Amino acid sequence: DVKVTQSSRYLVKRTGEKVFLECVQDMDHENMFWYRQDPGLGLRLIYFSYDVKMKEKGDIPEGYSVSREKKERFSLILESASTNQTSMYLCASRLTGGLYEQYFGPGTRLTVT
Amino acid sequence: AQTVTQSQPEMSVQEAETVTLSCTYDTSESNYYLFWYKQPPSRQMILVIRQEAYKQQNVTENRFSVNFQKAAKSFSLKISDSQLGDTAMYFCAFMKNFGNEKLTFGTGTRLTIIP
Repeated sequence: DVKVTQSSRYLVKRTGEKVFLECVQDMDHENMFWYRQDPGLGLRLIYFSYDVKMKEKGDIPEGYSVSREKKERFSLILESASTNQTSMYLCASRLTGGLYEQYFGPGTRLTVT
Repeated sequence: AQTVTQSQPEMSVQEAETVTLSCTYDTSESNYYLFWYKQPPSRQMILVIRQEAYKQQNVTENRFSVNFQKAAKSFSLKISDSQLGDTAMYFCAFMKNFGNEKLTFGTGTRLTIIP
């Protein structure tokens, strides 16, 4: 049974803080993704990684960076948190191949004050 | 770039009724993959149904079926005999056949099943 876990369900940070969101998957998936989910905007891709140490920008990478040092772990970093980064952050993973299911974590609701 | 449009932000139906959620997409690709994902309140997103574009036959998974119209670039989801547990956000998603493994999501439809 595939499991994607995220380090926190709720997080409150102050403007300017460096924020780390961690994601771990246990099914040896090559691909991992970070999305943010906002009402009326759906899911927007921030970054994704298709292999260890490999990353590609998604649709809204500004203000974010990522790290993937091990296959099972994909971290999202907010270098200097701002109030407009208050959002729900979803991590996901999947195998490579068209019809494979993408598995999601439970989400981290980040509030930046 | 591909875009996915879900034109119904919110819908509600009575329990046991049938409901159809619409999804249209824009692409120049000839083969691709389409998905419907469900996000129940405060729960993780899960896959509902998936379709490969070159297979024209509509997919059915229990009470969930799709109406795939490739020429019209339409991929609607029909839920039959709706149940309270179907209350959720539903997202339509598109993925190209080759290249990276990126899914493009629509903005979602919030579906409420009324007892």
